[in-house]
Amino acid sequence: DAGVTQSPTHLIKTRGQQVTLRCSPKSGHDTVSWYQQALGQGPQFIFQYYEEEERQRGNFPDRFSGHQFPNYSSELNVNALLLGDSALYLCASSLARALNTEAFFGQGTRLTVV
Amino acid sequence: GQQVMQIPQYQHVQEGEDFTTYCNSSTTLSNIQWYKQRPGGHPVFLIQLVKSGEVKKQKRLTFQFGEAKKNSSLHITATQTTDVGTYFCAGESTGGFKTIFGAGTRLFVKA
Repeated sequence: DAGVTQSPTHLIKTRGQQVTLRCSPKSGHDTVSWYQQALGQGPQFIFQYYEEEERQRGNFPDRFSGHQFPNYSSELNVNALLLGDSALYLCASSLARALNTEAFFGQGTRLTVV
Repeated sequence: GQQVMQIPQYQHVQEGEDFTTYCNSSTTLSNIQWYKQRPGGHPVFLIQLVKSGEVKKQKRLTFQFGEAKKNSSLHITATQTTDVGTYFCAGESTGGFKTIFGAGTRLFVKA
């Protein structure tokens, strides 16, 4: 039973470029949340996807967008990259109707913007 | 907007000493979760508290949720070197699906 998988693990991009990060949720999970974690900080909520729709959004600009596919996998897109977008991007999956909203995190994608 | 504050930022203890981290939310929470993240790793779920005043134990770890559902604590008894890492609380707002993480408390344990 695979856990949450994210790709790629590491990525280097140039300022102004666009990037797409991918996440496959834990088997049986239907909800995917994305977080940005800067060095030494806690994860910051970007948005959550459920039933292929963005259900909730954190305080991130429109440059950050996402998508969820029918198989529950998800993508995070960031346009017009800034140096400050350099961070660990974490994907977490959960089951919407579970009593315990335990989230399983992937290993993350380390994005460096130069 | 909703904020979750966590103290202390760092804690250095001698192996065998106790450790506590505290979490406070600016708004009432529907539930609070605790995670542990080892250096270079990803957050790993420890527990979720839902009820006002709830107390849960996992071996040497004791978790509490305040009566007003705005604060929580994690207490580790007799720390071990394997307890090293950053402990995060994460609160889910009432009526929403947004989980707000605290900044974390990084625990260092000296053998």
